[in-house]
Order: sequence, then C-alpha cells, then structure tokens
Amino acid sequence: DAGVIQSPRHEVTEMGQEVTLRCKPISGHDYLFWYRQTMMRGLELLIYFNNNVPIDDSGMPEDRFSAKMPNASFSTLKIQPSEPRDSAVYFCASSGTGEKLFFGSGTQLSVL
Amino acid sequence: TQLLEQSPQFLSIQEGENLTVYCNSSSVFSSLQWYRQEPGEGPVLLVTVVTGGEVKKLKRLTFQFGDARKDSSLHITAAQPGDTGLYLCAGARSNTGKLIFGQGTTLQVKP
Repeated sequence: DAGVIQSPRHEVTEMGQEVTLRCKPISGHDYLFWYRQTMMRGLELLIYFNNNVPIDDSGMPEDRFSAKMPNASFSTLKIQPSEPRDSAVYFCASSGTGEKLFFGSGTQLSVL
Repeated sequence: TQLLEQSPQFLSIQEGENLTVYCNSSSVFSSLQWYRQEPGEGPVLLVTVVTGGEVKKLKRLTFQFGDARKDSSLHITAAQPGDTGLYLCAGARSNTGKLIFGQGTTLQVKP
C-alpha cells in the first residue's frame, strides 16, 4: 500500500494567489482529515470527512479555506486568497476506523 | 488554551539515558494515542491506550494511561539516537476520530 499521498510536497506562492492542496487517502479508508501544523499552534484539525461527507469543519479558520471530497479516493483543500499567515505544513490523514490515523508526508506551504 | 499539555517541550539527552514525557489535561478522553514524527514526514502512530491505568510496552518505550483517563506518560529506557523526533500525544473524545493533539515534545538523543 502506498499510504496517504499528498501533493505538492512544497508550494511557494505570493499573497493573494489561490492554493490547492491534494490528497489521496489509503484505499478503503472511510475517514479523511485535514490538519495544519505550525510551531506556534502545533497540529490543528481543520476538517474531516466520513464517507466523502464533511462532518466537522469547525477548525477551518475562515471563508478563505474550503475543502472537498468528490470521491473516496481524492480530496482537496483550497485557500483563496492566500495570506502569509497561512504558511504552515498541511497534513492529510485517513483512517478506516476513525481512530488510528495514517498521515501523509504533508505539504509545506509558504505564502510570501 | 491548550487542551492537552505536554512536558517538557524540548529534551536533549545522551544515548543510554532514560526519559519520561508527560501529557496532561483537565478533560477525560475515551482513548489517548502517542505519535512520533520525524522531520519532513507526518506523524506515525506508536500506541493507543484506552483503559484507565493501562500500561503498554513497545520495546524500550512504556506508555501509561492515567486512572482517570486525563493524562498519560511515555517512558523511554536507554534512549538511542534513533529515538530522536517529535513525540505527540492525542486525545479522542469519541469514536469519530476527532483527535486533539498536544504541542509535542522534541527529543534529541546525542550519540
């Protein structure tokens, strides 16, 4: 199994630009999570899906952030417009049971 | 306000030493997990503890869940350079998988 696959690994963009992060969960996993990690705030849950349906998006910082899961094998996290304070590592994780999480390698986002 | 407090935040020790990392909260969790994260990678699950007072061992690592299910500890015996990394505890309130992570403990083991 290839594990959770995220792309791109690194993204450098200018303030105001749209950023799209992508995630392919482990096949057969019903849960998908988006986390953000910074030195100041640690790992924060942004949103999670169960069977492609968003269950809890209370961690999404503001309307500039949106996430979709059009099918069981793909999810996106979009930031529009991006701001320097969005700079962080964004992780996608999937789970079959909702408890044991398998994380991807993350996307390092830098907004200049 | 951090729901899960980890201590210490940073720890630098020599190979062969023992150490303990603590994870404390005022909230009760249905389960608590410990993850280890290496630079440039995502966290990897080490163990899940569910029952108050539960102790689990993973080679030189010993994990304990507090009796009241509000705190946990990770003890490493005879640390090795390969143990270097960021150790994260995460508490679950239900079976939804919504985990609350602590800030993490950065461990450096020098040869």
